[in-house]
Amino acid sequence: DAKTTQPPSMDCAEGRAANLPCNHSTISGNEYVYWYRQIHSQGPQYIIHGLKNNETNEMASLIITEDRKSSTLILPHATLRDTAVYYCIVRVAAGYQKVTFGTGTKLQVIP
Amino acid sequence: DAGVTQSPTHLIKTRGQQVTLRCSPKSGHDTVSWYQQALGQGPQFIFQYYEEEERQRGNFPDRFSGHQFPNYSSELNVNALLLGDSALYLCASSPDRGTEAFFGQGTRLTVV
Repeated sequence: DAKTTQPPSMDCAEGRAANLPCNHSTISGNEYVYWYRQIHSQGPQYIIHGLKNNETNEMASLIITEDRKSSTLILPHATLRDTAVYYCIVRVAAGYQKVTFGTGTKLQVIP
Repeated sequence: DAGVTQSPTHLIKTRGQQVTLRCSPKSGHDTVSWYQQALGQGPQFIFQYYEEEERQRGNFPDRFSGHQFPNYSSELNVNALLLGDSALYLCASSPDRGTEAFFGQGTRLTVV
């Protein structure tokens, strides 16, 4: 799996958009960008994934640059419940592929 | 759909003992993976089971073993527990031909 680089921590005001960046310059052509988050002492929660097009679901939007070397997860209106560690992961999109976690970004939403 | 369920939620064991953790995958998922998460770190892959066989394994000693049953549920066994085995143990399930892995809430193991 390709390596990812994320800032260790970020703050965001409640109600504002949270933009979490991720660098993955060694991503392969068949690897997708996945985002998970982990609220304190709970299991990681799947958020979104994409290959090269921008993706949106009920939780977030994923913006992937044209060269696929970086991406941004956007939480459009952050709430206190979005405080968590966010992991950006690149992997082949197959159930048999393990998930390799880095250190993630600790997002603190501030009232 | 109950999602991925793990039991027990918390466990305290003494150094040198053996422990068994259990995981029921999400409905329709046939692949189960186990992860260890030490405090302050990201989860680390232990191994994966598919069709009742260990398909791939991370960098963990043989003290860590597992099993998958015909109903796709799985167990993680750890022998000769060390203090360093204290961690949150996570189970993830996925359909083998699917794209997403779903995690349970984990079992918090404390070795004293």
